[in-house]
Amino acid sequence: DSGVTQTPKHLITATGQRVTLRCSPRSGDLSVYWYQQSLDQGLQFLIQYYNGEERAKGNILERFSAQQFPDLHSELNLSSLELGDSALYFCASTTGQGLNYGYTFGSGTRLTVV
Amino acid sequence: TQLLEQSPQFLSIQEGENLTVYCNSSSVFSSLQWYRQEPGEGPVLLVTVVTGGEVKKLKRLTFQFGDARKDSSLHITAAQPGDTGLYLCAGINLSGNTPLVFGKGTRLSVIA
Repeated sequence: DSGVTQTPKHLITATGQRVTLRCSPRSGDLSVYWYQQSLDQGLQFLIQYYNGEERAKGNILERFSAQQFPDLHSELNLSSLELGDSALYFCASTTGQGLNYGYTFGSGTRLTVV
Repeated sequence: TQLLEQSPQFLSIQEGENLTVYCNSSSVFSSLQWYRQEPGEGPVLLVTVVTGGEVKKLKRLTFQFGDARKDSSLHITAAQPGDTGLYLCAGINLSGNTPLVFGKGTRLSVIA
């Protein structure tokens, strides 16, 4: 157990639907990162939050949004789902920012859009 | 965008063999990290290399950071089936304030 909890572990939904993925970071970690992993693209950074505030945005689609709550858990909302959104979605947390902070990853949510 | 190229993409070897995988970029990084990911799990941090030319050892795994801090290698001695997994390198840029950039990984299979 890495200390980062992601739910649900698996999700199957239809095109056009909306889903919410949840992440609880490791105790004491203030930064939360969301990544999407697919076979052809590898791990792609989506968005980062630090202590409740958005800090960085990557290749996140406009149909996707996220937030970090006061208790530091984070949610990634995916809407108007397309077949191509099927992927593994990982959340990672770190204690701080900057140099040399290793990321602690959760076990991921496998999203299948049918 | 800083890119990290990993090679080979796939590697299948017999137990007991040695191997080296590479992580290359045209960009300079303040540090590089190596992760291993097993099926159904998230990546797990193995090591962080910070200084150009630095060599770190983790049991049978040897990690090296290039002198120019643009590339890194991972050498495994006497590979074992438990080494099977996806090996990812990830770079931290010079300012240190942007998220990790990951390579696509090397998928290693060690056959008993």
